[in-house]
Amino acid sequence: GENVEQHPSTLSVQEGDSAVIKCTYSDSASNYFPWYKQELGKRPQLIIDIRSNVGEKKDQRIAVTLNKTAKHFSLHITETQPEDSAVYFCAASNAGNMLTFGGGTRLMVKP
Amino acid sequence: NAGVTQTPKFQVLKTGQSMTLQCAQDMNHNSMYWYRQDPGMGLRLIYYSASEGTTDKGEVPNGYNVSRLNKREFSLRLESAAPSQTSVYFCASSEEPLADTQYFGPGTRLTVL
Repeated sequence: GENVEQHPSTLSVQEGDSAVIKCTYSDSASNYFPWYKQELGKRPQLIIDIRSNVGEKKDQRIAVTLNKTAKHFSLHITETQPEDSAVYFCAASNAGNMLTFGGGTRLMVKP
Repeated sequence: NAGVTQTPKFQVLKTGQSMTLQCAQDMNHNSMYWYRQDPGMGLRLIYYSASEGTTDKGEVPNGYNVSRLNKREFSLRLESAAPSQTSVYFCASSEEPLADTQYFGPGTRLTVL
């Protein structure tokens, strides 16, 4: 089955700096890669996703890049703000298979 | 439009007791899921229902059963709770199975003593 590894497990940045979270996956057939944000005590919420026919996708301060050859994808947050502080989860799946989540990254943005 | 709702929000059980977690969605989604989230870990899929009338095992199905009651509702049952089932349980739904945007409920925090 699919295995998704996520790094780092914790990340502390100064407000205004950029943050990068990286994930690797094992199943070369995977073609859907979402990122979820979970604030303390809340439900996970989708912030951005990418499919394997696209190498990069941006939404305001958030971008995701995908390297299918190397089987890794990354979340980039620019101009971080205190409200970006949360746990971020990557995930991977292919059609017909379950979504497998990474272990999460706790992002702390210091004012 | 409430999205995905779950009941109860909190529950404490003794070892060996049984209970059912309820989930409902009002987005007319075809697929529904049950996950568990343990401290410091990602979400692990317990069971899912790709469409009304079907259910399949996920990554960690042992000790659980599910029922897709109708298109809106998907319940998770613990027949004989164990301390290892202490966790936060999330229900989710999506329009299409699996490789599609999943919308999560608020979660149920379960403690088994």
